[in-house]
Formats: sequence, structure tokens, C-alpha cells
Amino acid sequence: IAGITQAPTSQILAAGRRMTLRCTQDMRHNAMYWYRQDLGLGLRLIHYSNTAGTTGKGEVPDGYSVSRANTDDFPLTLASAVPSQTSVYFCASSDSTSGGADTQYFGPGTRLTVL
Amino acid sequence: LAKTTQPISMDSYEGQEVNITCSHNNIATNDYITWYQQFPSQGPRFIIQGYKTKVTNEVASLFIPADRKSSTLSLPRVSLSDTAVYYCLVGDYNQGGKLIFGQGTELSVKP
Repeated sequence: IAGITQAPTSQILAAGRRMTLRCTQDMRHNAMYWYRQDLGLGLRLIHYSNTAGTTGKGEVPDGYSVSRANTDDFPLTLASAVPSQTSVYFCASSDSTSGGADTQYFGPGTRLTVL
Repeated sequence: LAKTTQPISMDSYEGQEVNITCSHNNIATNDYITWYQQFPSQGPRFIIQGYKTKVTNEVASLFIPADRKSSTLSLPRVSLSDTAVYYCLVGDYNQGGKLIFGQGTELSVKP
């Protein structure tokens, strides 16, 4: 079982370019999330999806969009990248139907540099 | 979601017990307390979760007093490999999973 995979592992991108970060999970979790992690700021939630077909905004959604066409995939798109979007991006998933408070499982991250 | 406060950094030596305390004065009735561990260049990893009293698993123990306004993560006999950032999170995750990680506690274990 792979868990959560993210692609690419790292990317250098010119400002103004469009970029899609991919995230796939094989645990059949209904909820998925995108975070960015910047030095000194911890992890901040960008967007989330509680179930296929629905999405929601997190703390820092501006400049990002997501879609959830199916259970397994949750791509994050930067329509026109800016240098402030240089960060490490983590995708996560959880089974929020398990009762109580769900545990999130994180992918290995994508290191994105926007020049 | 309740805000958490935890020390920015802690130092320890191999073999010692490490206790990291997290304050969450505004915790709500439905909130759970969860701790995550993050190694450099990796995503956070779930350690332990609790609602009240004490929870223990193969990795750590979590102590939660009756008022639930704080919690303490206890790592028994730490090793160098326990050097990581530890995050305390509080929330009712069934309400959309909007976790607020904060800056975490950077634990450095020395030989």
C-alpha cells in the first residue's frame, strides 16, 4: 500500500506559469487536504475536500484552486505562480467517517520554487 | 478551533523522558487533542490522540487533566531518532478537518 503519493517531488517554476501539483491516495479516505509549510510558520491549510465532488477553503486559499473529481485524486493548481508561493506543499487524507476525531496521513511533500 | 501554545524548542539527552506541554485554554467540548511528529523533509506523522485522562500507545503517552485546558506528550527514553518537531492540535475534526498546526516544538535529542 503506497498511502499518499505526490508529484513532482520538486519543481522550479518561472513566475506567471501555471502549475498543478498532483496528489493521489489509495486508502479510500473520503477527506483530503493541501497544506503549505514555510519556515517559521508551520503548516497552513490551503484547501480541503470532505468528500468527492466538494471542496472548501482553508487559511490561505488565494492563488490556489483544487478539484475533487474522484475519491483518490486531489490536484492543487497555481493558475499564475508568484514567488511568494515558494514553499513545501503537503497533501493529506483522512477517513472522517471513522468516528471521533480523524487522523490525517500526509504525503512526502512537493518542494516548489517560483522564480 | 482552539488555539494552542507550546514551547518553541526543547533539548534532551538520549535515554531521558521528555515531556512537552501544550496549552489550549479555549478547548471546546467536542474537541480532541492530537499530537503529530515531523522529521525534516517529511510530512507530519500521527503520534497519539486523546480526549481526557491518559492515553498510551507504543510510541508515547498523552496526559490530559480534568479541565482539558492543557495536555502533555510524554516520550519515554528518547533516542537521537526522536529529534523532530512535535505539533499539538486541538479540534473537532469532523467539522471539515481544518487543522491549525502552529509552529510546534522542535525537540533536539543529544547523545
